[in-house]
Amino acid sequence: DTAVSQTPKYLVTQMGNDKSIKCEQNLGHDTMYWYKQDSKKFLKIMFSYNNKELIINETVPNRFSPKSPDKAHLNLHINSLELGDSAVYFCASSQVLQGEEAFFGQGTRLTVV
Amino acid sequence: GESVGLHLPTLSVQEGDNSIINCAYSNSASDYFIWYKQESGKGPQFIIDIRSNMDKRQGQRVTVLLNKTVKHLSLQIAATQPGDSAVYFCAEIPSNSGYALNFGKGTSLLVTP
Repeated sequence: DTAVSQTPKYLVTQMGNDKSIKCEQNLGHDTMYWYKQDSKKFLKIMFSYNNKELIINETVPNRFSPKSPDKAHLNLHINSLELGDSAVYFCASSQVLQGEEAFFGQGTRLTVV
Repeated sequence: GESVGLHLPTLSVQEGDNSIINCAYSNSASDYFIWYKQESGKGPQFIIDIRSNMDKRQGQRVTVLLNKTVKHLSLQIAATQPGDSAVYFCAEIPSNSGYALNFGKGTSLLVTP
């Protein structure tokens, strides 16, 4: 069973479109995250949710909006996609009170053309 | 696949040799450090962690050393195998980060037979 799963794995779309990436974790963790990995492999936190509440919102354009319908899901919606949004997006989860090791999904490679 | 012009530091070792990957961190308030391994096309995978009240921790074939005086972290891999080829990231959790990982730049390890 996949612990943290993201869909889709690949996403190619045109500039100006709106798209969503879904994430689900079956580990029972209370905290979920979205990270962005650029073409130089640099990984940076975008958002963090703890028990469905936003606790971190880094300097990310407001075209990016996370949505957490329940503790096991954290989706990422992106409006008006731009070329610079092309990257690999990783969802992760952790159980903060029992140790901070984070488990990552396989990533979604977003290409904006 | 890899991007042209990728500027990750690269360490090339022969199979069976020991590898040492180094990392400098910036936040003296960080109290938890983790090494992650990322294989091509996959998400980061936990290897080993260490808390700031320790200076050494050993796992299976891996050892992490922490030098808080100079804010330096290293990962030692004993008897390196071809399956160890990947990009390795150190990460810190600053005390005010809301549990999100602050990743270092990454080092590409290439193991040759």
